[in-house]
Amino acid sequence: KAGVTQTPRYLIKTRGQQVTLSCSPISGHRSVSWYQQTPGQGLQFLFEYFSETQRNKGNFPGRFSGRQFSNSRSEMNVSTLELGDSALYLCASSLGGGLGEQYFGPGTRLTVT
Amino acid sequence: GNSVTQMEGPVTLSEEAFLTINCTYTATGYPSLFWYVQYPGEGLQLLLKATKADDKGSNKGFEATYRKETTSFHLEKGSVQVSDSAVYFCALSRATGGFKTIFGAGTRLFVKA
Repeated sequence: KAGVTQTPRYLIKTRGQQVTLSCSPISGHRSVSWYQQTPGQGLQFLFEYFSETQRNKGNFPGRFSGRQFSNSRSEMNVSTLELGDSALYLCASSLGGGLGEQYFGPGTRLTVT
Repeated sequence: GNSVTQMEGPVTLSEEAFLTINCTYTATGYPSLFWYVQYPGEGLQLLLKATKADDKGSNKGFEATYRKETTSFHLEKGSVQVSDSAVYFCALSRATGGFKTIFGAGTRLFVKA
């Protein structure tokens, strides 16, 4: 089975711009979660989608949004980028069942200048 | 609220040394517990898991036991290798209306030949 894929792998944007990141989960997985990883804050949960519905949300401002499509692919969007949004954004998929184990993609490295 | 506390790193060991990385958690109910590993330039990989008290998760020589009485899930390996050098994350997940996995800050391990 193919793993979780994320595109693009690297991105450089300017303050004030917006960005869209994409995640394709493992086939058959219906839950997709997004995380932001920075050296200072570690891994922080952004949101989780299951069958096109957001089930959980972390403590991030409204500039961070996401969606999930009927094929379980997910996108996250960050509007009005700030320097502090520079981070590795990780996507993880899971079956959506009771154990919560997740399978991570390689991440998208976003640099905001 | 839910939280995970890991020992601070970096941890530096010589090859074949014994490894312990401490992890304690705070959670309501009965979370699932996980250890993930992140190699340089990659996303996280699930290393092992435990879903109920006294469960022992194991993989690739690593072990961790779910101790509800001490709310701990310490990672151990009897003999580390240079290839084990990575960042290790302890995490908990509760499946109540979706997942919101909480990660520890991560512990960087360096193994010297």
